[in-house]
Amino acid sequence: DVKVTQSSRYLVKRTGEKVFLECVQDMDHENMFWYRQDPGLGLRLIYFSYDVKMKEKGDIPEGYSVSREKKERFSLILESASTNQTSMYLCASRLAGAGETQYFGPGTRLLVL
Amino acid sequence: GIQVEQSPPDLILQEGANSTLRCNFSDSVNNLQWFHQNPWGQLINLFYIPSGTKQNGRLSATTVATERYSLLYISSSQTTDSGVYFCAVERRGANSKLTFGKGITLSVRP
Repeated sequence: DVKVTQSSRYLVKRTGEKVFLECVQDMDHENMFWYRQDPGLGLRLIYFSYDVKMKEKGDIPEGYSVSREKKERFSLILESASTNQTSMYLCASRLAGAGETQYFGPGTRLLVL
Repeated sequence: GIQVEQSPPDLILQEGANSTLRCNFSDSVNNLQWFHQNPWGQLINLFYIPSGTKQNGRLSATTVATERYSLLYISSSQTTDSGVYFCAVERRGANSKLTFGKGITLSVRP
Protein backbone atom coordinates (compact mmCIF):
# COMPACT_ATOMS: atom_id res chain seq x y z
CA ASP A 1 0.00 0.00 0.00
CA VAL A 2 1.07 3.53 -0.75
CA LYS A 3 1.85 5.52 2.32
CA VAL A 4 2.01 9.32 2.43
CA THR A 5 2.86 10.82 5.80
CA GLN A 6 2.88 14.40 7.02
CA SER A 7 5.02 15.64 9.88
CA SER A 8 2.22 17.06 12.04
CA ARG A 9 -1.54 16.60 12.32
CA TYR A 10 -2.02 19.88 14.19
CA LEU A 11 0.18 22.96 14.34
CA VAL A 12 -0.22 26.34 16.05
CA LYS A 13 2.08 29.18 15.00
CA ARG A 14 2.36 32.92 15.52
CA THR A 15 2.06 35.54 12.80
CA GLY A 16 5.46 36.15 11.21
CA GLU A 17 6.94 32.77 12.11
CA LYS A 18 8.59 30.59 9.47
CA VAL A 19 6.69 27.33 9.16
CA PHE A 20 7.83 24.05 7.63
CA LEU A 21 5.39 21.31 6.64
CA GLU A 22 6.98 18.02 5.68
CA CYS A 23 5.59 15.26 3.49
CA VAL A 24 7.14 11.85 2.84
CA GLN A 25 5.98 9.09 0.49
CA ASP A 26 7.32 5.56 0.36
CA MET A 27 6.35 4.42 -3.15
CA ASP A 28 9.01 6.08 -5.30
CA HIS A 29 6.46 8.45 -6.84
CA GLU A 30 7.83 11.10 -9.15
CA ASN A 31 5.04 13.62 -8.64
CA MET A 32 4.21 15.30 -5.36
CA PHE A 33 1.67 18.02 -4.56
CA TRP A 34 0.67 20.46 -1.84
CA TYR A 35 -2.96 21.60 -1.51
CA ARG A 36 -4.84 23.69 0.96
CA GLN A 37 -8.46 23.06 1.83
CA ASP A 38 -10.83 25.73 3.07
CA PRO A 39 -14.59 25.53 3.72
CA GLY A 40 -16.59 26.19 0.57
CA LEU A 41 -13.50 26.36 -1.63
CA GLY A 42 -12.54 22.70 -1.96
CA LEU A 43 -8.91 21.75 -2.56
CA ARG A 44 -6.64 24.27 -4.21
CA LEU A 45 -3.20 23.45 -5.56
CA ILE A 46 -0.32 25.46 -4.06
CA TYR A 47 2.76 23.87 -5.64
CA PHE A 48 3.76 20.61 -7.26
CA SER A 49 6.95 18.83 -8.19
CA TYR A 50 7.66 16.43 -11.04
CA ASP A 51 11.03 15.31 -9.80
CA VAL A 52 13.84 16.09 -7.41
CA LYS A 53 14.73 19.80 -7.38
CA MET A 54 11.88 20.55 -9.79
CA LYS A 55 8.87 22.61 -8.79
CA GLU A 56 6.01 24.42 -10.44
CA LYS A 57 3.49 26.91 -9.13
CA GLY A 58 -0.07 25.81 -8.73
CA ASP A 59 -3.13 28.01 -8.51
CA ILE A 60 -2.34 29.82 -5.24
CA PRO A 61 1.46 29.94 -4.68
CA GLU A 62 1.62 33.40 -3.11
CA GLY A 63 3.11 33.33 0.38
CA TYR A 64 4.50 29.81 -0.01
CA SER A 65 7.66 28.12 -1.25
CA VAL A 66 8.65 24.47 -1.57
CA SER A 67 11.70 22.26 -1.48
CA ARG A 68 12.33 18.83 -2.95
CA GLU A 69 15.88 17.70 -2.27
CA LYS A 70 15.04 13.98 -2.18
CA LYS A 71 12.52 12.07 -4.23
CA GLU A 72 10.51 10.88 -1.25
CA ARG A 73 10.25 14.23 0.55
CA PHE A 74 8.39 17.42 -0.40
CA SER A 75 8.40 20.37 1.99
CA LEU A 76 6.05 23.35 2.07
CA ILE A 77 7.43 26.53 3.59
CA LEU A 78 5.53 29.54 4.86
CA GLU A 79 8.25 32.19 4.98
CA SER A 80 6.27 34.52 7.25
CA ALA A 81 3.01 32.98 8.42
CA SER A 82 -0.13 35.11 8.31
CA THR A 83 -3.59 34.53 9.74
CA ASN A 84 -5.07 33.99 6.27
CA GLN A 85 -2.85 30.92 5.95
CA THR A 86 -4.82 29.18 8.68
CA SER A 87 -6.07 26.13 6.82
CA MET A 88 -5.90 22.38 6.29
CA TYR A 89 -2.82 21.44 4.26
CA LEU A 90 -2.82 18.20 2.28
CA CYS A 91 0.11 16.52 0.59
CA ALA A 92 -0.32 14.00 -2.24
CA SER A 93 1.83 11.87 -4.51
CA ARG A 94 1.46 9.77 -7.66
CA LEU A 95 3.45 8.13 -10.39
CA ALA A 96 4.31 10.23 -13.42
CA GLY A 97 2.18 9.95 -16.52
CA ALA A 98 -1.40 10.56 -17.46
CA GLY A 99 -4.13 8.78 -15.60
CA GLU A 100 -2.30 7.62 -12.51
CA THR A 101 -4.06 7.36 -9.15
CA GLN A 102 -3.22 10.07 -6.64
CA TYR A 103 -2.74 9.33 -2.93
CA PHE A 104 -3.09 11.74 -0.04
CA GLY A 105 -1.49 12.16 3.35
CA PRO A 106 -3.61 12.63 6.50
CA GLY A 107 -3.38 16.43 6.42
CA THR A 108 -2.03 19.12 8.73
CA ARG A 109 -4.41 21.58 10.40
CA LEU A 110 -2.47 24.82 10.77
CA LEU A 111 -3.68 27.64 12.99
CA VAL A 112 -1.84 30.97 12.72
CA LEU A 113 -2.52 33.32 15.62
CA GLY B 1 -9.00 25.83 -16.95
CA ILE B 2 -11.36 22.91 -16.62
CA GLN B 3 -14.47 23.39 -14.48
CA VAL B 4 -15.72 20.69 -12.13
CA GLU B 5 -19.17 20.97 -10.61
CA GLN B 6 -20.59 18.58 -8.05
CA SER B 7 -24.19 18.24 -6.99
CA PRO B 8 -25.97 18.40 -4.68
CA PRO B 9 -23.69 20.37 -2.33
CA ASP B 10 -25.23 18.77 0.74
CA LEU B 11 -27.15 15.55 1.25
CA ILE B 12 -28.84 14.10 4.32
CA LEU B 13 -29.88 10.47 4.28
CA GLN B 14 -31.49 8.02 6.64
CA GLU B 15 -29.41 4.92 7.20
CA GLY B 16 -30.25 2.30 4.61
CA ALA B 17 -31.21 4.76 1.87
CA ASN B 18 -29.59 4.94 -1.55
CA SER B 19 -28.10 8.05 -3.14
CA THR B 20 -26.53 9.36 -6.33
CA LEU B 21 -23.80 11.99 -6.38
CA ARG B 22 -23.02 13.80 -9.61
CA CYS B 23 -19.89 15.35 -11.10
CA ASN B 24 -19.96 17.43 -14.28
CA PHE B 25 -16.78 18.57 -16.01
CA SER B 26 -16.21 20.98 -18.86
CA ASP B 27 -13.48 19.35 -20.98
CA SER B 28 -12.08 16.02 -22.09
CA VAL B 29 -10.28 14.15 -19.32
CA ASN B 30 -7.85 11.28 -19.05
CA ASN B 31 -8.23 10.84 -15.31
CA LEU B 32 -11.22 11.03 -13.00
CA GLN B 33 -11.12 10.00 -9.38
CA TRP B 34 -13.68 9.93 -6.60
CA PHE B 35 -12.45 10.48 -3.05
CA HIS B 36 -14.10 10.25 0.34
CA GLN B 37 -12.84 12.56 3.08
CA ASN B 38 -13.55 11.13 6.50
CA PRO B 39 -14.30 13.26 9.59
CA TRP B 40 -10.58 13.28 10.49
CA GLY B 41 -9.65 14.85 7.16
CA GLN B 42 -8.09 11.88 5.39
CA LEU B 43 -8.93 11.57 1.70
CA ILE B 44 -9.42 7.99 0.61
CA ASN B 45 -9.45 6.89 -3.02
CA LEU B 46 -12.78 5.32 -3.96
CA PHE B 47 -12.49 4.94 -7.71
CA TYR B 48 -10.21 5.74 -10.59
CA ILE B 49 -12.76 5.92 -13.40
CA PRO B 50 -12.07 8.06 -16.49
CA SER B 51 -14.76 6.06 -18.33
CA GLY B 52 -17.04 3.08 -17.83
CA THR B 53 -18.49 1.55 -14.70
CA LYS B 54 -16.89 0.09 -11.60
CA GLN B 55 -18.28 -1.42 -8.42
CA ASN B 56 -16.78 -1.91 -4.99
CA GLY B 57 -19.18 -3.34 -2.45
CA ARG B 58 -22.03 -0.91 -1.80
CA LEU B 59 -20.40 1.76 -3.95
CA SER B 60 -20.36 2.00 -7.69
CA ALA B 61 -19.39 4.68 -10.18
CA THR B 62 -20.11 5.42 -13.80
CA THR B 63 -18.38 7.94 -16.03
CA VAL B 64 -19.79 8.92 -19.42
CA ALA B 65 -16.78 10.70 -20.86
CA THR B 66 -18.50 11.76 -24.08
CA GLU B 67 -21.16 13.59 -22.06
CA ARG B 68 -18.68 14.84 -19.46
CA TYR B 69 -20.21 13.56 -16.26
CA SER B 70 -19.66 10.95 -13.61
CA LEU B 71 -22.03 9.47 -11.03
CA LEU B 72 -21.23 7.88 -7.68
CA TYR B 73 -23.88 5.54 -6.30
CA ILE B 74 -24.11 4.66 -2.64
CA SER B 75 -26.52 1.87 -1.77
CA SER B 76 -27.79 0.90 1.68
CA SER B 77 -25.99 3.86 3.22
CA GLN B 78 -24.34 3.56 6.64
CA THR B 79 -23.35 6.21 9.15
CA THR B 80 -19.71 5.54 8.29
CA ASP B 81 -20.42 6.82 4.76
CA SER B 82 -20.75 10.33 6.18
CA GLY B 83 -18.15 12.84 5.11
CA VAL B 84 -17.26 14.83 2.01
CA TYR B 85 -17.10 13.28 -1.44
CA PHE B 86 -14.81 14.87 -3.99
CA CYS B 87 -14.60 14.37 -7.71
CA ALA B 88 -11.27 15.29 -9.31
CA VAL B 89 -10.34 15.32 -12.98
CA GLU B 90 -7.18 15.65 -15.02
CA ARG B 91 -7.71 17.47 -18.29
CA ARG B 92 -5.99 15.94 -21.30
CA GLY B 93 -2.59 17.60 -21.53
CA ALA B 94 -2.74 18.90 -17.96
CA ASN B 95 0.41 17.00 -17.06
CA SER B 96 -0.72 15.17 -13.92
CA LYS B 97 -2.61 18.05 -12.33
CA LEU B 98 -5.97 17.18 -10.82
CA THR B 99 -8.72 19.79 -10.57
CA PHE B 100 -11.15 19.20 -7.72
CA GLY B 101 -14.81 19.96 -7.37
CA LYS B 102 -15.98 21.67 -4.20
CA GLY B 103 -17.28 18.44 -2.74
CA ILE B 104 -20.59 16.99 -1.57
CA THR B 105 -21.18 16.80 2.17
CA LEU B 106 -23.09 13.65 3.04
CA SER B 107 -24.65 13.04 6.45
CA VAL B 108 -26.14 9.63 7.12
CA ARG B 109 -28.40 9.55 10.17
CA PRO B 110 -29.03 6.41 12.23
